[in-house]
Amino acid sequence: DGGITQSPKYLFRKEGQNVTLSCEQNLNHDAMYWYRQDPGQGLRLIYYSQIVNDFQKGDIAEGYSVSREKKESFPLTVTSAQKNPTAFYLCASNWDPRQPQHFGDGTRLSIL
Amino acid sequence: KQEVTQIPAALSVPEGENLVLNCSFTDSAIYNLQWFRQDPGKGLTSLLLIQSSQREQTSGRLNASLDKSSGRSTLYIAASQPGDSATYLCAVLKTSGSRLTFGEGTQLTVNP
Repeated sequence: DGGITQSPKYLFRKEGQNVTLSCEQNLNHDAMYWYRQDPGQGLRLIYYSQIVNDFQKGDIAEGYSVSREKKESFPLTVTSAQKNPTAFYLCASNWDPRQPQHFGDGTRLSIL
Repeated sequence: KQEVTQIPAALSVPEGENLVLNCSFTDSAIYNLQWFRQDPGKGLTSLLLIQSSQREQTSGRLNASLDKSSGRSTLYIAASQPGDSATYLCAVLKTSGSRLTFGEGTQLTVNP
């Protein structure tokens, strides 16, 4: 089945530690996105990529980094510079920014 | 800057009732407006996409309307069922951009 796989489902970070969230899609989509969702709030864009080896900052990129070395993969690293990382992280993709986005099931990140 | 607002934040209705969810946006220069559903702890599922030139879209018991000039969209759910219980989010895509701006969502509970 085609879709987006995010792993792990739950992740815990220690103080001063970097952690990486995985996002893999087999939909052959060109564009991929990372969002952060806090309780009772909508989605805020962290980073997006419209093509391999290229990506742009979203509204809340500080403390995060990404790479896009392969079309199907768009990992997100939450660095120690992100002081409030506890949130639900969602990855999405589509063929074209004007088309509906397909979402993974998310990764919930918490602080130890 | 585009801002998207959804009212009400939460809604509880008895099964079988017809209901309307509201979405408003501040910048009418949009390419399309999208409605999504989110189940607890899950990603988003696309429900309906309305192009800026359209007035409404229908899918089964769902009907979404768009009034671009007034900056409003409504999602009408007919004959609600307990399985409709979820959070519903709207998002707009600006004509000049490639990123969605999301509202905070309406949490719907349909009671048997």
